Amino acid sequence: GNSVTQMEGPVTLSEEAFLTINCTYTATGYPSLFWYVQYPGEGLQLLLKATKADDKGSNKGFEATYRKETTSFHLEKGSVQVSDSAVYFCALSVFGSARQLTFGSGTQLTVLP
Amino acid sequence: NAGVMQNPRHLVRRRGQEARLRCSPMKGHSHVYWYRQLPEEGLKFMVYLQKENIIDESGMPKERFSAEFPKEGPSILRIQQVVRGDSAAYFCASSPAGTGVNTEAFFGQGTRLTVV
Repeated sequence: GNSVTQMEGPVTLSEEAFLTINCTYTATGYPSLFWYVQYPGEGLQLLLKATKADDKGSNKGFEATYRKETTSFHLEKGSVQVSDSAVYFCALSVFGSARQLTFGSGTQLTVLP
Repeated sequence: NAGVMQNPRHLVRRRGQEARLRCSPMKGHSHVYWYRQLPEEGLKFMVYLQKENIIDESGMPKERFSAEFPKEGPSILRIQQVVRGDSAAYFCASSPAGTGVNTEAFFGQGTRLTVV
C-alpha cells in the first residue's frame, strides 16, 4: 500500500535558522508528492508539489526535490521566520492530482524570535 | 470567493448519539473529499464524492459512517451511534472537475468532534 513517513516533531528553531523536515514514502507506481501547511486555526494549504522524479517544488522560500532513488521529498528552507510556525504535512497521490491524498503524521514547527 | 466552509467547528456528542458534519465546497467545485485526523496521526482519506454520487469510499468504516453530496446543499458526513474512538478532526476538501496534475484540492478548517 501507500504510506508516508515524516520526521517526528515538534521542531523548535530560532529565527533565520536552516530548516529540514524529512519525508520518505512508499507507493505503487509513480506518485505525485506534496507538502501542505496548516497554520493555527486554519485548514491545510498546499505549499508546494512535484509530479515526477527530480522535479523541485518551491514556494515562499521552501523547497523540496522529488528523489525517486531514495523515495524522499525532504522540505527545506534556508532561513525560517516566526511566521513559518505551523504544522507541515508531507503527502502523496497516486491519482496524479492533489485530491485523494495519503498524508504523513505532520511535523509541528515553532520558530522563536 | 469563499473557501471551503465546514460547520460546526467543534462538536461534542455523547456516546450513542449521531454526529452530522457539513461541508460547503468552494464555488464552482463539484468534487468533495472527507479526511479524518485521529490524535497524533496524519489525515486519512475517507470518501470522495461528486454531486449525487459516491466515487470512492474505500476509507470509510463499514458501519455507522455515511456520506452524501446532494444536488443542492452541502456535503454531509454522518456518524451514527458515536463511540469515543470517533473523536477526531474531520476535514473536508473540494476541487473542480478534472484529473490533471494541476487539479488541486482546497481544504476547510475542519470539524473537531469530541465524544464524551
